[in-house]
Amino acid sequence: AQSVTQPDIHITVSEGASLELRCNYSYGATPYLFWYVQSPGQGLQLLLKYFSGDTLVQGIKGFEAEFKRSQSSFNLRKPSVHWSDAAEYFCAVVDLPNTNAGKSTFGDGTTLTVKP
Amino acid sequence: DAGVTQSPTHLIKTRGQQVTLRCSPKSGHDTVSWYQQALGQGPQFIFQYYEEEERQRGNFPDRFSGHQFPNYSSELNVNALLLGDSALYLCASSSTGQGAGGYTFGSGTRLTVV
Repeated sequence: AQSVTQPDIHITVSEGASLELRCNYSYGATPYLFWYVQSPGQGLQLLLKYFSGDTLVQGIKGFEAEFKRSQSSFNLRKPSVHWSDAAEYFCAVVDLPNTNAGKSTFGDGTTLTVKP
Repeated sequence: DAGVTQSPTHLIKTRGQQVTLRCSPKSGHDTVSWYQQALGQGPQFIFQYYEEEERQRGNFPDRFSGHQFPNYSSELNVNALLLGDSALYLCASSSTGQGAGGYTFGSGTRLTVV
């Protein structure tokens, strides 16, 4: 069965500092991986996704993520954090990636706090 | 172009009651998936509907059921509510032609069971 682990429950960074959020996955085949952001009381907004090709993917809001098959990781990064980035971040893996019939398995999220 | 619309936004129910949550998918989407997000946890897959049938189901009891209508909108029904059913219920829609990358999530329905 597929699974996702986000080792850091809560991360605090200063505004303008760099950010890296960790994600480790378990999946039997080539994974289809996502990062979402969720503001309080809101739904999930897709930041970026990876299925194949270049292992460094660019997303919205200046985020990027790197897929490392050898480490089963898909870490999210941002070079300079803004106060508006404070939110909860979820990593997810989807089965049946060639269709839209798959289900997403999410990690438990990392809460990002940004200090002024 | 409206995204995914869920109603109601908040709901309070008593243990043992039944509840129905509604979802209108994004225009052009034909598949609806439902997720339960308990406080402090990631969303968990409940089930997915396509062509008015349940196509895939997660590890949820039969108290959780759903329906999809010809216009692709969907309902999630929960019977015999338990305190543990309190959560944010998220609906996600997608299109058969877009593959796995096309999920759009609604803002959710916050269900509180007292």
